[in-house]
Amino acid sequence: DVKVTQSSRYLVKRTGEKVFLECVQDMDHENMFWYRQDPGLGLRLIYFSYDVKMKEKGDIPEGYSVSREKKERFSLILESASTNQTSMYLCASSPSVAGNQPQHFGDGTRLSIL
Amino acid sequence: RKEVEQDPGPFNVPEGATVAFNCTYSNSASQSFFWYRQDCRKEPKLLMSVYSSGNEDGRFTAQLNRASQYISLLIRDSKLSDSATYLCVVRDVGFNKFYFGSGTKLNVKP
Repeated sequence: DVKVTQSSRYLVKRTGEKVFLECVQDMDHENMFWYRQDPGLGLRLIYFSYDVKMKEKGDIPEGYSVSREKKERFSLILESASTNQTSMYLCASSPSVAGNQPQHFGDGTRLSIL
Repeated sequence: RKEVEQDPGPFNVPEGATVAFNCTYSNSASQSFFWYRQDCRKEPKLLMSVYSSGNEDGRFTAQLNRASQYISLLIRDSKLSDSATYLCVVRDVGFNKFYFGSGTKLNVKP
C-alpha cells in the first residue's frame, strides 16, 4: 500500500511565524502535491512538484513556498503565517506514468493560525 | 468554467436505496477518471477508478461517457456507512495535474 505521511495532524501557530509542513511518501512517486481544503471551496492546489528540485505553482501559491530536495519528501512553507491560512492542508503523491494512476493522500494537517 | 463540476447535494436517501451521481468535465483530452470518498474531517480516499467500458466494485458502478464528457457513480443498496462526500477527479493529458470536483454529499438515513 502507498503510504503518504504528513508530519502533524494538528498544528497551532501564531501570526507572522514561519511554518513548515512536511510530507513523505514511500512509493518512489515522481509527482507530489500540496492542497488546502476549506468549507465550501473544495480542494485547491497550492504547489506541485514533478521531480526533485522542480516545482510549479498551483491555483493559490501566494504566501506559500515549497521545497523538494529528495524524491520522497515535499515540504510546504508558510513564509509569514496569517490567519487566512488557517485550513486543512493535504499532501498527495502520484506516479507520472500514463494510465489510471490515482493520487494518494496523507491524513492531512489541520493548521490554526492565531 | 470549472474543469470538473458536480452537484453538491446533499442527496438524502433511505437505507437500501439506489443513488446516482454525475460529474461533468471540460477537457475532452482528459486521460483518467476517478471517484474518491471523503468522510468528514478526513482525507480523500480512492473509491474506484473509472474505465472506458464502465466498471463495478461490489455495490458501486462507475461509467464514463467521453462523447458527453461526464462520469457517473451508482451506489446500490445504500448503507449508513456510505454517508460521505464523493469527489469526482479527472487527471489531465500531461499526467501531472488532477482536477477535483467540489464533491457531492450523500446522507443515508435509517
